[in-house]
Amino acid sequence: EVQLVESGGVVVQPGGSLRLSCAASGFTFDDYSMHWVRQPPGKGLEWVSLISWDGVSTYYADSVKGRFNISRDNSKNSLYLQMNSLRTEDTALYYCAKGRISAEMDYWGQGTLVTVSS
Amino acid sequence: DIVMTQTPLSLPVTPGQPASISCKSSQSLLHSDGKTYLYWYLQKPGQSPQLLIYEVSSRFSGVPDRFSGSGSGTDFTLKISRVEAEDVGVYYCMQGIHLPYTFGQGTKLEIK
Repeated sequence: EVQLVESGGVVVQPGGSLRLSCAASGFTFDDYSMHWVRQPPGKGLEWVSLISWDGVSTYYADSVKGRFNISRDNSKNSLYLQMNSLRTEDTALYYCAKGRISAEMDYWGQGTLVTVSS
Repeated sequence: DIVMTQTPLSLPVTPGQPASISCKSSQSLLHSDGKTYLYWYLQKPGQSPQLLIYEVSSRFSGVPDRFSGSGSGTDFTLKISRVEAEDVGVYYCMQGIHLPYTFGQGTKLEIK
C-alpha cells in the first residue's frame, strides 16, 4: 500500500523558513517523480513543485521560485521542501504527491499545515 | 500559464441522476506525442485529492465505471452516469502539458 506522510508544518512568522518532509513507503521511491501541491484554507489546489526521480531536474511555480527548494533522498525514501522568505500568502495545507507516468499525481499524503502569521 | 476554467462551480444532484462538469483550457492540451494531458481529481470532504481520470478518458485503478471523461483540444467533460452519495466533494481538472501545472477552480458536487 502506497503511503505518503508529510511533516514539518508549523506556525512561522513572515520572512521565516521551514522545511517540510514527506516519508514514502509502499512503492519503489526512486522510480517516480514527486510533487508538492498546496491548498490555502477553504480554497483550491495549487501545484508548487516537481522533482524528477533522480533529483536532477526540479521545477517550481512562479509564486515560489527563488524562495522554495525541492529535494529528495532516495536512500531514505524521503521528499523535502525547503521554504524560505515565507509570506502570509504561503499559508496552506501542503500535500506531497507521487508522480505516475506523465504529469498526473496518483497518490497523495494527508498534508501538513503551514501557517505564516505574525 | 494555462488557465483552466470549470463550470459549474456548484452542482446539486439527486442520487441516481447523471452529472456533468465542464473544463476548458486556455491552450490546447494535445501534445505532439499524440496524448492529451488532462486529468480529473476528486477531493472528498476532509480528505486529500484522489486521481479519477488521466489523459482525458482513462479511469485510474479502482475508479467506478460510472465516471467517464471525454473531450479534446481545449474542451473537456467529466460525467457521472448515476450519482451516488459517496461522490460528493470538489472535482478539479488539471493540465499537465506545460509547467506550471494548473488546476481548475473546482466544482462542488452536493446531493439534493
